[in-house]
Amino acid sequence: RKEVEQDPGPFNVPEGATVAFNCTYSNSASQSFFWYRQDCRKEPKLLMSVYSSGNEDGRFTAQLNRASQYISLLIRDSKLSDSATYLCVVNRDQAGTALIFGKGTTLSVSS
Amino acid sequence: NAGVTQTPKFQVLKTGQSMTLQCAQDMNHEYMSWYRQDPGMGLRLIHYSVGAGITDQGEVPNGYNVSRSTTEDFPLRLLSAAPSQTSVYFCASSYSTVFRGAFFGQGTRLTVV
Repeated sequence: RKEVEQDPGPFNVPEGATVAFNCTYSNSASQSFFWYRQDCRKEPKLLMSVYSSGNEDGRFTAQLNRASQYISLLIRDSKLSDSATYLCVVNRDQAGTALIFGKGTTLSVSS
Repeated sequence: NAGVTQTPKFQVLKTGQSMTLQCAQDMNHEYMSWYRQDPGMGLRLIHYSVGAGITDQGEVPNGYNVSRSTTEDFPLRLLSAAPSQTSVYFCASSYSTVFRGAFFGQGTRLTVV
């Protein structure tokens, strides 16, 4: 089983839509969880960390379910500029030496 | 503040050639790592370092060497390039990824012919 699994998509949505991405991870000892955004041919950039209680940053809401080893990202009121690949990421070990990436989910927002 | 700087941005190598991909960070981060990204594979960890003089292997280390003589620099060496090493390489740095994530360089696009 891959350590971090995501639905690759693509998700094609109109502007203003709400879209949700899901992710599962296999290492129950993982402590830290993130969503990264990657634009075409660019480096990954941290979108938001994911906390156990859930957290929100503007139009973006992240949720974590440790019991199910499940992470989600909700994007409300999608903008054209949200078009990108969204990477689900967990830290590799308890010391946080490096990261393990999912393959990413591609989002395309159209007008 | 430059962040994480990778050089070169693009490189074409012939099979069997060697080269070094450079990575430097100016944030005084302890942890640095190298990833490769291939279509349909996501980012995979090659090698990582938790401080000067300390390195370890990641998921796909074969064909690559690293060293960490200073906090700032973490070069990745391809010993004898093979077409299978054609990829985009990203360097990342962080204090620790626990709760903080990592910052990435802009990547090096390597083609081995």
